[in-house]
Parts: sequence; C-alpha cells; structure tokens
Amino acid sequence: AQSVAQPEDQVNVAEGNPLTVKCTYSVSGNPYLFWYVQYPNRGLQFLLKYITGDNLVKGSYGFEAEFNKSQTSFHLKKPSALVSDSALYFCAVTPRGAGSYQLTFGKGTKLSVIP
Amino acid sequence: DSGVTQTPKHLITATGQRVTLRCSPRSGDLSVYWYQQSLDQGLQFLIQYYNGEERAKGNILERFSAQQFPDLHSELNLSSLELGDSALYFCASSVGGGRGSTEAFFGQGTRLTVV
Repeated sequence: AQSVAQPEDQVNVAEGNPLTVKCTYSVSGNPYLFWYVQYPNRGLQFLLKYITGDNLVKGSYGFEAEFNKSQTSFHLKKPSALVSDSALYFCAVTPRGAGSYQLTFGKGTKLSVIP
Repeated sequence: DSGVTQTPKHLITATGQRVTLRCSPRSGDLSVYWYQQSLDQGLQFLIQYYNGEERAKGNILERFSAQQFPDLHSELNLSSLELGDSALYFCASSVGGGRGSTEAFFGQGTRLTVV
C-alpha cells in the first residue's frame, strides 16, 4: 500500500522569503505525485503534478516541486512567499498503471506566511 | 470554482440517523470519488465510481454506501450515524478512471455534524 509523509505539521516563513513544504512517499513501482492546497472552508485545489519526464514541475501561483526518485521525495517550493499563500498543503500519491485510481494523501502541512 | 457541486454544505443530525450527500461532477468527468476528512484521520479515500460502476473501494464502513446515477451525479449514504462520523466529506471528479495521471477536482465539501 502507498503512503505519504509530510514531516512538518506547520511551516512559518516571512513574506518574500523562499518556502519549502516537504513530502516523502512510499509506493510500489513508479508514482504519480500531486500537490493540493486547501484554504479555510474550501475544497482542495490542484496545484501541480508529476507524471513523468522533467523532475522539476511547475504549477499554479508560482509553485514548483522537485521529484527525487532516490530520496522518494516531492518537495513543494516557491521562490518568494506571499501572505495569500497561507493555507493547508497536501501531498498525494497514486501508483502508476492501469486500474483503480485512489489518491493517498499526507496529513497536510499548514503554511503561515508572516507579513 | 472547481465545477464540482456538493449539497448540502452543512448537515446536523442525531446519532442513529441516516443522511444522503449529493455530488454533481464537472461536466464531462466520468469518475467520482468520495473522501472523508477528519482531524484525527486526515483525508481518507472512501470509494470511486466510474461511469456508473464501482471502480475502487477504500476505507469505507459497511454503514456507508454510494452510487452513481446515469446522469453521473453521485450520492453517498451514511446510516446508523455515530459521533465519530462527524467530518468533512469531499466529492471529487476526474475525466479518467484508470491510470491516475489526471488530476481530480474537488467540491467544497459537506460538513456533517452528528450530535
């Protein structure tokens, strides 16, 4: 069975500074990896995904993530944080291949960007 | 707006009762997924339907059931409710139903409170 670990419950960063939200995964075979963001009282919004190819994936709102197969990681990054980036971030994985599709999510990391 | 519609937004009911949550997927999406989000368990995959048929089942209790209708909307039925069933229930949809490379789009959720 697949699993996702987000080792930090909360990340605090000053506005304008770079941010990183960490994610490691465990899955049989090659993974599909996703990042979602959840704002208060809202549903999850898709940010970006890694399917294959370039290990650096660019997504919405200036976010990017780097797939590292040897470290089984998929950390989310942004060069310059905005206060509006404050939200709950979820990493998710699903095994590649035909068949059922079920995202396994991490516990989430609360990002607070301090003005 | 993700295009996924869930009703109702809030639901308060007593223990032992039965409720039905409704989800309309994005236009053109054939897959519907149900997730439960609680503070202690995080986001848990419950069940997936693809074009009217059950495709995958996750941590769904026997007291819970779902179906997808010919117009592709889905309902999640929760019966014999317990206090521990209080959670945010999300519906998501995607175009595909198999390989998992397409991202899912989430509704805003139904917050269920069992008293």
